[in-house]
Amino acid sequence: DADVTQTPRNRITKTGKRIMLECSQTKGHDRMYWYRQDPGLGLRLIYYSFDVKDINKGEISDGYSVSRQAQAKFSLSLESAIPNQTALYFCATEAGTAATDTQYFGPGTRLTVL
Amino acid sequence: AQSVTQPDIHITVSEGASLELRCNYSYGATPYLFWYVQSPGQGLQLLLKYFSGDTLVQGIKGFEAEFKRSQSSFNLRKPSVHWSDAAEYFCAVGEINTDKLIFGTGTRLQVFP
Repeated sequence: DADVTQTPRNRITKTGKRIMLECSQTKGHDRMYWYRQDPGLGLRLIYYSFDVKDINKGEISDGYSVSRQAQAKFSLSLESAIPNQTALYFCATEAGTAATDTQYFGPGTRLTVL
Repeated sequence: AQSVTQPDIHITVSEGASLELRCNYSYGATPYLFWYVQSPGQGLQLLLKYFSGDTLVQGIKGFEAEFKRSQSSFNLRKPSVHWSDAAEYFCAVGEINTDKLIFGTGTRLQVFP
């Protein structure tokens, strides 16, 4: 079984709808991340969490919110989806520090907002 | 703030040919450098990383990268490319003071038989 799973893998929704993307991990890591990938822009950090009670905004958090329900689960919500949130979303986990340690990525969720 | 530049958006090589993907970084101190690969339909996977010591780093799948401080570069190489190497490759630098990983924009590798 995969160490980092994301659901759904694909989602098409309409402008204004609320969407939740879920991430689960079995690696036992405290740190979890949400990234967004757009063509030509690489990966950009949306939110990150160092543990259940420590959640931080990344460089592009506007329009998004997160919930860390447990060490193993980290959800990303789009309260009112808009078309420019169409992208590939990745969850990642890490045992130590972002600057020096390996991040383990889920397979991604492809979100389309019409 | 640190930054990472991958000047090549798309590279095409023939199977069996050698490969070099370029990465340049901007950072005042010794950087922590990474290469990740994203195969189609999959998440990113670490190929290799450099922190200190030997400037030539060996990774998985036959890849290596060389850190050159004088050129602010960390180029990824493979002597003979396989069709399964077709993927997108991301260079990244660890930003110590903010504890974040900064990614480049990626290079898409296409391999022809």
